[in-house]
Parts: sequence; C-alpha cells; structure tokens
Amino acid sequence: NAGVTQTPKFQVLKTGQSMTLQCAQDMNHNSMYWYRQDPGMGLRLIYYSASEGTTDKGEVPNGYNVSRLNKREFSLRLESAAPSQTSVYFCASTLQETDTQYFGPGTRLTVL
Amino acid sequence: KQEVTQIPAALSVPEGENLVLNCSFTDSAIYNLQWFRQDPGKGLTSLLLIQSSQREQTSGRLNASLDKSSGRSTLYIAASQPGDSATYLCAVSRTSNTGKLIFGQGTTLQVKP
Repeated sequence: NAGVTQTPKFQVLKTGQSMTLQCAQDMNHNSMYWYRQDPGMGLRLIYYSASEGTTDKGEVPNGYNVSRLNKREFSLRLESAAPSQTSVYFCASTLQETDTQYFGPGTRLTVL
Repeated sequence: KQEVTQIPAALSVPEGENLVLNCSFTDSAIYNLQWFRQDPGKGLTSLLLIQSSQREQTSGRLNASLDKSSGRSTLYIAASQPGDSATYLCAVSRTSNTGKLIFGQGTTLQVKP
C-alpha cells in the first residue's frame, strides 16, 4: 500500500495563478482532510470530507475549494493564489472519524 | 475556542535519558487525543491515540497519558535515542468528533549521541 500520496511535492506560483493539489489514498478510508502548516501557527484544517460526496469547511477555508472526486481522491484548488497561501499542505485520511489520521508527505507551495 | 499548547517548544537531551513532553488543552470536552511525530520535511506519523475514556496508551518506549479534567496529556519517552529526534505534535478532536483535529505547535526534540 502506498498510503496517502500527494502531488506535486513542490510548486511555485505567481499571485493570481490557479492550481489544484491532488491527494489519493489506497486504504479504503472514508474520511479525508486538507491541512496547512505554517511556522508559528501549527497545522490548521482547511476542508474535510467525512465520506464520498460530502465536504465541509474547516478552520481556514477562505481562498480554497475542494472536490471529493471518489472515495480515493480529494483535491484542493486555489482559484487565485495569494502570497498568504504560501505554506506546506498536508492531506490526511482515516477509516472512521474516531480513528488515527494518516498523513501524506506534503506539498510545499510558494506564491510570489 | 479550543486551544492546544505544547511546552517547551524545543528540548535537547543526551542519549539514554527518559523525558516527558507536555500538552495542554483549554476545553476538556474532547473526543480523543493523538500524538504525532514529524521528521524534517516529512508528513506526520501517528504514535498514539487516547480515547477520552482512557487514561493512557503505550507503544514500545512511548507512553501517553491523558487527564481530561485538568486538560493535560504527557508523552513519556524512555531511554531516548538519536533516532527519536523529531518534532512531536499533540492534537485533540472535538466532542462531536467529526475527525477535526486541533493541533499544538509541537515540541522539537534533539537527542544527542
């Protein structure tokens, strides 16, 4: 099992550009999450999907959209990137919401 | 609003020492608490999960305790090794347990040979 995979690993954008971060898990998990990690702020939840076909906002959703494409895949889209979105983005998944979350390796995004 | 605090932010110890990492949270109405490890430039790896009804969990040289009433958890690492050097994060989930985690900012541990 690959676990949770994320693409790309690194990305540099200019202000105003758009991009989609991809996340996939092969553990047949129901719930998936997107976090961002910033120095001094820790990890903060952006969006989550409790099950296929559902999504909900987390702590810092502004400027982002998500799509739960199927049970395996959960993508995060930045429509018009801003320098404040420079961060490391992590995707996570869990079989049930009561269980341990498994994290991907992260995407390091820089917005100039 | 739930806030999670980890003190100290950084810790350096010689190899072989037993050590304790601290985590405190402001709202005792949690569903569970998890401890994670993060190596530089990597994702998070789950170490231990403690349900709100439990007092402690153990895995190898690691022992995590939970005291909901006082809003505290500790991660005890026995006989520390250089390979234990990493950042340790604790996270709590809310009462309704949608899986939403609130993270502390972590303690960066360095174990010197």
